Amino acid sequence: GENVEQHPSTLSVQEGDSAVIKCTYSDSASNYFPWYKQELGKGPQLIIDIRSNVGEKKDQRIAVTLNKTAKHFSLHITETQPEDSAVYFCAATPPRSQGNLIFGKGTKLSVKP
Amino acid sequence: KAGVTQTPRYLIKTRGQQVTLSCSPISGHRSVSWYQQTPGQGLQFLFEYFSETQRNKGNFPGRFSGRQFSNSRSEMNVSTLELGDSALYLCASSRQETQYFGPGTRLLVL
Repeated sequence: GENVEQHPSTLSVQEGDSAVIKCTYSDSASNYFPWYKQELGKGPQLIIDIRSNVGEKKDQRIAVTLNKTAKHFSLHITETQPEDSAVYFCAATPPRSQGNLIFGKGTKLSVKP
Repeated sequence: KAGVTQTPRYLIKTRGQQVTLSCSPISGHRSVSWYQQTPGQGLQFLFEYFSETQRNKGNFPGRFSGRQFSNSRSEMNVSTLELGDSALYLCASSRQETQYFGPGTRLLVL
């Protein structure tokens, strides 16, 4: 079945710097890749997603890139702010498996003022 | 539009008991998925319901079950609780593939 690897597990940056989180997936037929942000005591919040027919998507300071050949996708956050501090999860949807997201182990991002 | 709601938010049970958790999806969403989140295993898929039918199931024992009602609200049940069932249980609703999560129910088994 699908397996998602996420790196790094922790990331510390200075306010204003960029942060990059990378994920790889195993099933080349997976076609939907969301990213979630989870703050302490809350459920995961969707921040951006990308489908397999698109190579890049951007929403203000957040962007996601997808390389289908290499089976990896990345989250880029520019001009980081302290409120970006949280745990970020990547996920993939296996084919013929509605409602089932396979998650990476998460990246704890700390943005230091 | 109101988000996904889950009740209760916190629960303490003892080993051997059973528990029922409830999830109300976003209005218009017919799919509800359930996940278990633990520090060791991360987020793991339990099952997904659509129009009152279970469409997909993760790799959890039969003690974990669920159902969905005609108004798309869903419940999950865990019988014969074990210490290892202590976790944050999350539900997510979707209309297509994008899932929106609720705040979760934190279950502690003593």
